[in-house]
Amino acid sequence: EVQLVETGGGLIQPGGSLRLSCAASGFTVSSNYMSWVRQAPGKGLEWVSVIYSGGSTYYADSVKGRFTISRDNSKNTLYLQMNSLRAEDTAVYYCARDSGSFDDYWGQGTLVTVSS
Amino acid sequence: EIVLTQSPATLSLSPGERATLSCRASQSVSSYLAWYQQKPGQAPRLLIYDASNRATGIPARFSGSGSGTDFTLTISSLEPEDFAVYYCQQRSNWRGTFGGGTKVEIK
Repeated sequence: EVQLVETGGGLIQPGGSLRLSCAASGFTVSSNYMSWVRQAPGKGLEWVSVIYSGGSTYYADSVKGRFTISRDNSKNTLYLQMNSLRAEDTAVYYCARDSGSFDDYWGQGTLVTVSS
Repeated sequence: EIVLTQSPATLSLSPGERATLSCRASQSVSSYLAWYQQKPGQAPRLLIYDASNRATGIPARFSGSGSGTDFTLTISSLEPEDFAVYYCQQRSNWRGTFGGGTKVEIK
C-alpha cells in the first residue's frame, strides 16, 4: 500500500528555517517524480516544487532561491528545506507522488505557520 | 506561466443533479490536465488524469473531457459525498499549476 507521511511542520518566526520530511512506503521515492504542494489557510492549492527521478529539481517563482527539494534514497524520504521564511509561506504542505502529469498519491499534510 | 481559470467559483446543486465544472487554460496543455476533489481537512484526491481517464477507484459518475485549452469535469448525478471543492491542474511542463477551485455546495 502506498503511503506518504509528512512531518516537520510547526510555528517558526519570519526569517527562520524549517525542514519538512515526507516518509514514503509502498514504492521507491528515487524511482518516481515527487512534488510538494501547499495550501494557505482557506485558499487553493499551489504547486511548490518537483524532483525528477533523474535528480532535476524545479521550483515555483514564489519559493525559488529559498526552498530546496531533496531526497534520501536510503531512507526512502523526500525533504523540503525552507529558508528565509515569510508570513506568506504559512500553509499546509503536502507531498505527493508525481506521475509526470498528475499527482496520484498525497500525504495528509503538515502545517507550517510563520509568525512572530 | 500557464494560468488555469475555473468556473463557476461556486455551484449550488441538489443531490441527484448533474454538475458541470469548467477549467480553461491560458495556453494549450494538450491533454495534460487532472482533476482533484478536496473535502475539508483532507488532502486532495485524484479523480481524473490526462483529461479523461478516471483514477483507480473513482466512480463512473465522474467523467472528464476536453483538450488544448478547454476542459470539463462532469458529475452525472450528485451523491451526498460529492459536495466538496474541485481543482484542475496542468502539468504540460515541469511547472505545475492549479486552478482556483470550484466549490460544489448543497442547494
